[in-house]
Amino acid sequence: EPEVTQTPSHQVTQMGQEVILRCVPISNHLYFYWYRQILGQKVEFLVSFYNNEISEKSEIFDDQFSVERPDGSNFTLKIRSTKLEDSAMYFCASSRTPNPNSPLHFGNGTRLTVT
Amino acid sequence: GESVGLHLPTLSVQEGDNSIINCAYSNSASDYFIWYKQESGKGPQFIIDIRSNMDKRQGQRVTVLLNKTVKHLSLQIAATQPGDSAVYFCAVLNQAGTALIFGKGTTLSVSS
Repeated sequence: EPEVTQTPSHQVTQMGQEVILRCVPISNHLYFYWYRQILGQKVEFLVSFYNNEISEKSEIFDDQFSVERPDGSNFTLKIRSTKLEDSAMYFCASSRTPNPNSPLHFGNGTRLTVT
Repeated sequence: GESVGLHLPTLSVQEGDNSIINCAYSNSASDYFIWYKQESGKGPQFIIDIRSNMDKRQGQRVTVLLNKTVKHLSLQIAATQPGDSAVYFCAVLNQAGTALIFGKGTTLSVSS
């Protein structure tokens, strides 16, 4: 079964540094998402992306965050200047059509640790 | 704003028992609901979904029940197995239809 793949699985960075989290969505999916999960907490929506532009973003997704689909297969999340509170699991997800017509498929996440 | 809550943070059952995980949501206009399973170190894995025009939907060993009157959603797992041990999240589509709002999760522990 096709799956969403994310790299790296674990990223450690120093506060103030830029990080790029990478995702390869399922190939015939057109809608892409980033969610995050602080340890032991619920999964929180960050941003949705379709047709090369952001569809919606949450309050968490401030000016420090950006997303990009640099080519036909990758979908990236960049955090420009990381803060300690950015430490979390970041999940990429994709869907073939917008909800509620098809469910989101999630990758296994990147654990970001900001020191 | 919209919110989703789970009734119990943990649930412990014996292998072979039926498990019921409950969820409450706040927005009566919500029309799509979904259950995810998250195993340690992995992303949420789709289990089953249901739209508001249905009260019940069955999958393999799982059933989702939707009670729109009291804004309550439940996931029933029949003949629970040790491999079912995981954190279970319910999620509701937001009003704009653009993002899922997740509940906090119930940790299901299955002992043999």
